[in-house]
Formats: sequence, structure tokens, C-alpha cells
Amino acid sequence: EEQLVESGGGLVQPGGSLRLSCRTSGFTFSSYWMHWVRLSPGKGLMWVSRMDSLGINIHYDDSVKGRFTMSRDNSKNTLYLQMNSLTADDTAVYYCARGDNGSLGHWGQGTLVTVSS
Amino acid sequence: DIEMTQSPSSLAASVGDRVIITCRASQDIRGYLNWYKQKPGKGPEFLIHATSSLHTGVPSRFSGSGSGTEFTLTISGLQPDDFATYYCQQSLTNPLTFGGGTKVEV
Repeated sequence: EEQLVESGGGLVQPGGSLRLSCRTSGFTFSSYWMHWVRLSPGKGLMWVSRMDSLGINIHYDDSVKGRFTMSRDNSKNTLYLQMNSLTADDTAVYYCARGDNGSLGHWGQGTLVTVSS
Repeated sequence: DIEMTQSPSSLAASVGDRVIITCRASQDIRGYLNWYKQKPGKGPEFLIHATSSLHTGVPSRFSGSGSGTEFTLTISGLQPDDFATYYCQQSLTNPLTFGGGTKVEV
């Protein structure tokens, strides 16, 4: 059974940084595009970034470009999201998801990031 | 960016009802339309891809239709587990974009 488990969320001050992780199991991680998506209070789902199976092609939403960096370690079946220069607008539950031909076929349970002083 | 608009934003329904949710795209997305279901405190679940293809294990009471810029998700015979928020998403172009969600409640 495919499993994705996010971790690394927490409370951080504006301007601070966090690194999220997504450990996966139950599928061949190195064969799939992976995504980060967030759910903000009152704002619905927003796609954040995606990366191809080799970690070469990476795309970001304009709102996080230059501040967030997505990476992966295929030897550890793990996806990462380094988030810098955080603002209150980045407060959200962050999900990792497996890409399946443009759709998001499997999701984790999410990790909460709160940006507040 | 392609804007996705869902209606209604919420609806009240009862077990056994037929529920229809609409999703509009700001431009033709050529059928690249997916649907997800989310319950509080959980990650979204994939329901339908490419407008009308049910994901593995999704009950047949769920169906999707549409083309161009107008799409619908229909739940025929609402079950207790179906009370949730539903999102549409286009996968034609970057950035992937979602509708605002439709909350189906009692």
C-alpha cells in the first residue's frame, strides 16, 4: 500500500525557515514525479511545486519561487521542501503527493506550518 | 494561470440524495480535469481523472462529465462517508490550479 508521511512542520517566526520531509513507501519512489500542495485557512488547496523522478525538472508557483527549494533523495525514498523567508501567508497544512499523469494519485496526511510572532 | 471556479461553495444534503457539483475553467482545458475528496484532518483522496475516469477503488456512485470549460461531479445516492469537501483541479498547464472547494454537509 502506498504511504506518504510528512514531517517537519511547526511554529516559526516571520522571516524564518523550515525544512519539510515526506517519507514514502509502498511504491517505486524513483519512478514518479512528486508534488507539494498546501491548504491554507479559508483559501483552499494551492499547488506549491513539483519535481520529476530524477530531480532535474522542478517547477514552483510564483508565490514561493526564490524562497522554497524542493529536492529528493531517491536512495531514501524521501522528498523535501526547504522553506525560507516565511511569511504569514505561508501558514498552511503542507501535503506531499505522488504525480500520476498530471493528477495527484496519493497524498500524505499533511504537516502544519504556522508562521507567527 | 487557469482559474478554476466551483459551485456551490457548500450544500446541504441527506443520505440517498443525488448531488451535483460544478467546476468551471477560465479557458478550455481539453478534459484535463481531476476531482478529489477531503475529510477534516486527512489528506485529499483522488477520485476521478481526465474528466470521467474513476480512480481504482472509487465507488461507482461517483461520476464525472464535461468538456471545454464546464465539468460536473455527480454523487448518485449519497452515503455517510461522502460528507466531505470536494475539489476540482486542472492538469493542462503549470501551475496546476484547484477550485475553491465544495463542502457537502448534512
